[in-house]
Amino acid sequence: AQSVAQPEDQVNVAEGNPLTVKCTYSVSGNPYLFWYVQYPNRGLQFLLKYITGDNLVKGSYGFEAEFNKSQTSFHLKKPSALVSDSALYFCAVRGGNSGYSTLTFGKGTMLLVSP
Amino acid sequence: DTAVSQTPKYLVTQMGNDKSIKCEQNLGHDTMYWYKQDSKKFLKIMFSYNNKELIINETVPNRFSPKSPDKAHLNLHINSLELGDSAVYFCASTQASNSGANVLTFGAGSRLTVL
Repeated sequence: AQSVAQPEDQVNVAEGNPLTVKCTYSVSGNPYLFWYVQYPNRGLQFLLKYITGDNLVKGSYGFEAEFNKSQTSFHLKKPSALVSDSALYFCAVRGGNSGYSTLTFGKGTMLLVSP
Repeated sequence: DTAVSQTPKYLVTQMGNDKSIKCEQNLGHDTMYWYKQDSKKFLKIMFSYNNKELIINETVPNRFSPKSPDKAHLNLHINSLELGDSAVYFCASTQASNSGANVLTFGAGSRLTVL
């Protein structure tokens, strides 16, 4: 069975500082990895995904994520945090090439960016 | 606007009642989902339909019955509501035939409160 671990319930960072939100995964076969963000009282919004190729993936709002196959990790990063980045972030994984297979989400990490 | 629309946004009801949540997408996607987000923000898939056919049915009480009249609509009916059903229910859609890299588009959520 596939799974996602987000070891931090909350990440606190000061505005302007770099941020990292951690994610590790377990899946059979090649992984498809995703990051979504949820703002209060809103649905999840797609940020970025890794399919294959370059291990550094760039996404929306200046976010990027680094795929590390040996560590089975897909950490979300941003060079300079904004207060408006404060939200709940979900890592997700789908194993195999079938679009019909389940997308499994981690438990989420709350990012709080202080002014 | 192209989107995934859910109604109602808020639903407050008594234990034992029956209620429905409706979902519609105008994105032309072939696959729709229901996810449940509990009070700890954990997201769990409940059902998935592809072109009106059920393809994922996780361990969900049979009080929950999804119905897909066409590929643009996926409704969720809940019988004999219990306190533990209180959660935010998210509808999502995707073009699953595009491979495992497909991205889910989420609705804004329907917050169900059972008293």
